[in-house]
Amino acid sequence: DQQVKQNSPSLSVQEGRISILNCDYTNSMFDYFLWYKKYPAEGPTFLISISSIKDKNEDGRFTVFLNKSAKHLSLHIVPSQPGDSAVYFCAASANFGNEKLTFGTGTRLTIIP
Amino acid sequence: ETGVTQSPTHLIKTRGQQVTLRCSSQSGHNTVSWYQQALGQGPQFIFQYYREEENGRGNFPPRFSGLQFPNYSSELNVNALELDDSALYLCASSLAGLYTEAFFGQGTRLTVV
Repeated sequence: DQQVKQNSPSLSVQEGRISILNCDYTNSMFDYFLWYKKYPAEGPTFLISISSIKDKNEDGRFTVFLNKSAKHLSLHIVPSQPGDSAVYFCAASANFGNEKLTFGTGTRLTIIP
Repeated sequence: ETGVTQSPTHLIKTRGQQVTLRCSSQSGHNTVSWYQQALGQGPQFIFQYYREEENGRGNFPPRFSGLQFPNYSSELNVNALELDDSALYLCASSLAGLYTEAFFGQGTRLTVV
């Protein structure tokens, strides 16, 4: 039972364009969502988060949008840079905290120079 | 640099053996979580420790056990290793509370043969 789904295993985007990574969830108890980036041979690195009381959160080139009614969130990266090439994981938790994060299977983003 | 360090980085064990993985938390963090990441999957929550007490457990059998020490470092022990235990084991440290993120170490790659 995959409670957090990232349906696109891979995505290729031209450098300078917008990258949009999508994530769907099924558990209505989830109220805090995080995006992590992972390079090979490294642990996941926190990027940005959003709580269910918001529908948008921005941090520099990264923006996360949350649509609670659709149980969908997306990460926008603009402009995309070659260093953004990595695997991106969506994660969710209940109780607005970092306990028991439930992760998606990840999307491999490749930025084409 | 997240400040979360794990040892060893790689390990090969034989089926039926026992293994201990170690994690040093980021300074100031009082919570440690362990995750298992199989190939092609997202990290799966094993358990979390807060102030030396187990504070939540995922769907893993009792042969997965852990400890957190007074300095908030942690160990993950796995008994009676099985071939399916081969995975990347990730430790994450955080501060307990609302809207906090977990910071991951680089992981320990365990191979069971």
